[in-house]
Amino acid sequence: DPKIIQKPKYLVAVTGSEKILICEQYLGHNAMYWYRQSAKKPLEFMFSYSYQKLMDNQTASSRFQPQSSKKNHLDLQITALKPDDSATYFCASSQGGANTGQLYFGEGSKLTVL
Amino acid sequence: SQLAEENPWALSVHEGESVTVNCSYKTSITALQWYRQKSGEGPAQLILIRSNEREKRNGRLRATLDTSSQSSSLSITATRCEDTAVYFCATGSNYQLIWGSGTKLIIKP
Repeated sequence: DPKIIQKPKYLVAVTGSEKILICEQYLGHNAMYWYRQSAKKPLEFMFSYSYQKLMDNQTASSRFQPQSSKKNHLDLQITALKPDDSATYFCASSQGGANTGQLYFGEGSKLTVL
Repeated sequence: SQLAEENPWALSVHEGESVTVNCSYKTSITALQWYRQKSGEGPAQLILIRSNEREKRNGRLRATLDTSSQSSSLSITATRCEDTAVYFCATGSNYQLIWGSGTKLIIKP
């Protein structure tokens, strides 16, 4: 059974609209992350949360807003979508620090913006 | 510029052969991690090697670390078709792991 669930797996949106990507982890980890992967760039770190608090943010645009309603949830709201936002968005989690532990990834949510 | 970078960009070997992917990084590290990403999946960790370690093994995988030259390598012996994937090295801070662009490895039957 997948331990990190991302929904939806695929989504298509029109420019200017808003979407929410869902992530739930059942590994009991305290830290959760969002990464973005597109054909043009390597896996890009976006946000990290620990115990539901924002720890690091490398996303320049405020159109990307993480939301953590529970310890094992970290959703990603994207507003005013642009074609350049098209990418696969990966949620990950770890117990403890990212650089000395292990990140577990979901299968990703592939977003296409038309 | 990226904190870590793999080379070569792509590699192809026949099943059963050995292969090595290299990684160079640009800062002092606490640890370096190797991940593999198969098509349609999220990355999965293969090996974590700490800065005080020179070598780490995991089955057919062997990672080395040279902190003086800020480089690491990942070797796979007796390759199998299922080793076909993109291989990444990654390092960073407690709350941020930065990745290279990856090496695309194809194992031919």
